[in-house]
Amino acid sequence: GAVVSQHPSRVICKSGTSVKIECRSLDFQATTMFWYRQFPKQSLMLMATSNEGSKATYEQGVEKDKFLINHASLTLSTLTVTSAHPEDSSFYICSATGGDYGYTFGSGTRLTVV
Amino acid sequence: KQEVTQIPAALSVPEGENLVLNCSFTDSAIYNLQWFRQDPGKGLTSLLLIQSSQREQTSGRLNASLDKSSGRSTLYIAASQPGDSATYLCAVRRYGGSQGNLIFGKGTKLSVKP
Repeated sequence: GAVVSQHPSRVICKSGTSVKIECRSLDFQATTMFWYRQFPKQSLMLMATSNEGSKATYEQGVEKDKFLINHASLTLSTLTVTSAHPEDSSFYICSATGGDYGYTFGSGTRLTVV
Repeated sequence: KQEVTQIPAALSVPEGENLVLNCSFTDSAIYNLQWFRQDPGKGLTSLLLIQSSQREQTSGRLNASLDKSSGRSTLYIAASQPGDSATYLCAVRRYGGSQGNLIFGKGTKLSVKP
């Protein structure tokens, strides 16, 4: 079945630094990738949608200059949290789809900003 | 605006019991509905995907139904096991919108006691 690899699974960084999270589709070409954020006991909230080779579409309220998304190839999308602050601490999950079927999710990244 | 609600928020049952998780959505114009499982601190695992033209899907001890007109879906788990303990998320994929992204419920946290 379709597999999406997300790395790293956990990261702790200092306030003011940047963190990059990678999302790779291992056995299919992901025309579209999605980035979600999940707070404790809350549902997943879509942050942005990225299509290979084009600029990401951000949801309302998500700062595009803070959460940089790059989808340079059909198998890789990256999310960079720039100038991270403690309030950016959260669980970030990516998902990918190769067409009109279901979505495959990565294993998530727990970001802690200290 | 599409809203997805899951009831109950938490459920505790003894091992071996059959159980039903409920999901409701406000806009019946959906492309498909998907049930996921999420273990603590982990990503999402897709369990069942029901296209809008389908009424149900089965996989092993799991059966998911879809009634688009009433905006409801149920996930039936037969002969529950402690390994089924996790949070179960329901998500609908809408037509059009932001590249067809998923709208998630907050989930039902299931605990199956030995």
